[in-house]
Amino acid sequence: GAVVSQHPSRVICKSGTSVKIECRSLDFQATTMFWYRQFPKKSLMLMATSNEGSKATYEQGVEKDKFLINHASLTLSTLTVTSAHPEDSSFYICSAGGQGARVAFFGQGTRLTVV
Amino acid sequence: GDSVTQMEGPVTLSEEAFLTINCTYTATGYPSLFWYVQYPGEGLQLLLKATKADDKGSNKGFEATYRKETTSFHLEKGSVQVSDSAVYFCALSDSGGGADGLTFGKGTHLIIQP
Repeated sequence: GAVVSQHPSRVICKSGTSVKIECRSLDFQATTMFWYRQFPKKSLMLMATSNEGSKATYEQGVEKDKFLINHASLTLSTLTVTSAHPEDSSFYICSAGGQGARVAFFGQGTRLTVV
Repeated sequence: GDSVTQMEGPVTLSEEAFLTINCTYTATGYPSLFWYVQYPGEGLQLLLKATKADDKGSNKGFEATYRKETTSFHLEKGSVQVSDSAVYFCALSDSGGGADGLTFGKGTHLIIQP
């Protein structure tokens, strides 16, 4: 099956700094990528949907200026957590789907800890 | 490591048929189990979950029971509808749903024909 690579798998950063998470589709062109966040003891929450070459669509309650999403190519989307705070500590996961694809493929996820 | 195995599709059924999508898992701890659904063009939505053995999660006519003895969490629905056509993902979280990540199955594409 298709492969989606997410990097880094774990990151620890200081409060106030920014962190970039990459999501790459390795063997197919991903026209759509989804970014999710998992809060402690809760299920996955969709943060935003990004389509290649256009602005991401954010879900209600997600700060677009804090969680910057770029989908500049058909194989790469990035999520940048700006001015991170301890409450941003979470598990972030991306999924990617090709044009007309019926199934989305998941990255391995990134565990972010802000200290 | 943790893993989730689910039947691969596509699974094609007629409307009002009985649905079962199998899901089995391996985990080092005592995981929470989830079923997520992805409708065409949309992101994942949580369908149901169970956090301990013998718990039954249910939503929208779908049910799944946490079977620790068989390490399974099969999804069932008594009478499917065309609107149930979607991709279904079984997943586990090995820290009670905490921020220690999710492991997904590969997804099962379900097609319901009128």
